Amino acid sequence: QVQLVQSGAEVKKPGSSVKVSCKASGGTFSSDAISWVRQAPGQGLEWMGGIIPVFGGADYAQKFQGRVTIIADESTRTAYMELSSLRSEDTALYYCARGSADEVGLRYFDLWGRGTLVTVSS
Amino acid sequence: HSALTQPASVSGSPGQSITISCTGTSSDIGTYNYVSWYQQHPGKAPKLLIYDVSNRPSGVSNHFSGSKSGNTASLTISGLQAEDEADYYCSSYAGSSTMVFGGGTKLTVL
Repeated sequence: QVQLVQSGAEVKKPGSSVKVSCKASGGTFSSDAISWVRQAPGQGLEWMGGIIPVFGGADYAQKFQGRVTIIADESTRTAYMELSSLRSEDTALYYCARGSADEVGLRYFDLWGRGTLVTVSS
Repeated sequence: HSALTQPASVSGSPGQSITISCTGTSSDIGTYNYVSWYQQHPGKAPKLLIYDVSNRPSGVSNHFSGSKSGNTASLTISGLQAEDEADYYCSSYAGSSTMVFGGGTKLTVL
């Protein structure tokens, strides 16, 4: 069964960085479109950025440009999302999601991890 | 890109049909047929319900259907059931390899 297994919860200080991992078991991974989506407590879903491992380069939502880095390691089938300069508003559940993409663009997300809670507090 | 616009809440009685709208712009919904819908129960990850405007993944009930007109997409749930009570999110491709979500709609089954 294909799964996305995410790393455990993190508690961080304001101004620091957090790195969350997402390991894929099964599936193709290299040609999958892996995105990171966050959900603040009681709030909606917010797309942060994504990567197709075989192509390497990541794309980011304008809101997070310069503060988020998404990479993928094909050898370990693991994607990572690092968010820097953390502030209290970054407290959220961070999901990785496998998407489908074609020559036009991203289409949908059909497999989600269980989420990683990141709490930013002094 | 700004978030897509959804009503904050909708409600209906068992057996009724409801429709949730999702309004975007000519830069996202209006241009691309890559609208998807997700169902999220409390404490759970989102689940894909509809992709490419109106297609259902294998295993998703046919009482969920999707459509699009201009810059607005819609999710219709026919024959409401108690287990349909959840949050629903739309999403659209927004160009330049980016995606945008709607703010979410809370469905209450009365």
